[in-house]
Amino acid sequence: EDQVTQSPEALRLQEGESSSLNCSYTVSGLRGLFWYRQDPGKGPEFLFTLYSAGEEKEKERLKATLTKKESFLHITAPKPEDSATYLCAVQPYQAGTALIFGKGTTLSVSS
Amino acid sequence: DGGITQSPKYLFRKEGQNVTLSCEQNLNHDAMYWYRQDPGQGLRLIYYSQIVNDFQKGDIAEGYSVSREKKESFPLTVTSAQKNPTAFYLCASKGFGSGANVLTFGAGSRLTVL
Repeated sequence: EDQVTQSPEALRLQEGESSSLNCSYTVSGLRGLFWYRQDPGKGPEFLFTLYSAGEEKEKERLKATLTKKESFLHITAPKPEDSATYLCAVQPYQAGTALIFGKGTTLSVSS
Repeated sequence: DGGITQSPKYLFRKEGQNVTLSCEQNLNHDAMYWYRQDPGQGLRLIYYSQIVNDFQKGDIAEGYSVSREKKESFPLTVTSAQKNPTAFYLCASKGFGSGANVLTFGAGSRLTVL
């Protein structure tokens, strides 16, 4: 069964304290892995797509990486405005299959 | 600006009532999706549609119904058969082509059953 597991469920950081979020996945064939950011009471906002092992993408303080079994979202020197829930999703290779989402990691950054 | 509009943002329903959540997109996307989000749960797929006049059940379709009469619109009806409808509902769309695997989400509709 295809599934996505994110850890930790919640993460509290001090401003400037770098850390990583994990997304491990089991899928018969991976078409793509996606990271989204979701603020409370709002819809998820797209961050990154990764397609193959070894691929990396960066945006401001965020960097996403991908291996054959997991992805990491590295947050360097976070700021309070980075506080949000980060969602990971996989697109199985089978055509027409919808994204499978993990439960998310809720990040809180205090100043 | 192109995007997805969900309405209403907040909705209250009495037990036994059907309610319909609206989802409209002006992105010219072919595929549209409805997800349900509960606290501590991931997004769970209710229904999706890849073309007009066609849709498929997702993982938790029981108690819900949809229609896709126009490319731009994908309304979701929460029927009285849905036993626990209080949740945050998200509509999303996706096009086909280069970079088209990305789902674009609306702002969501929060349904509360009184």
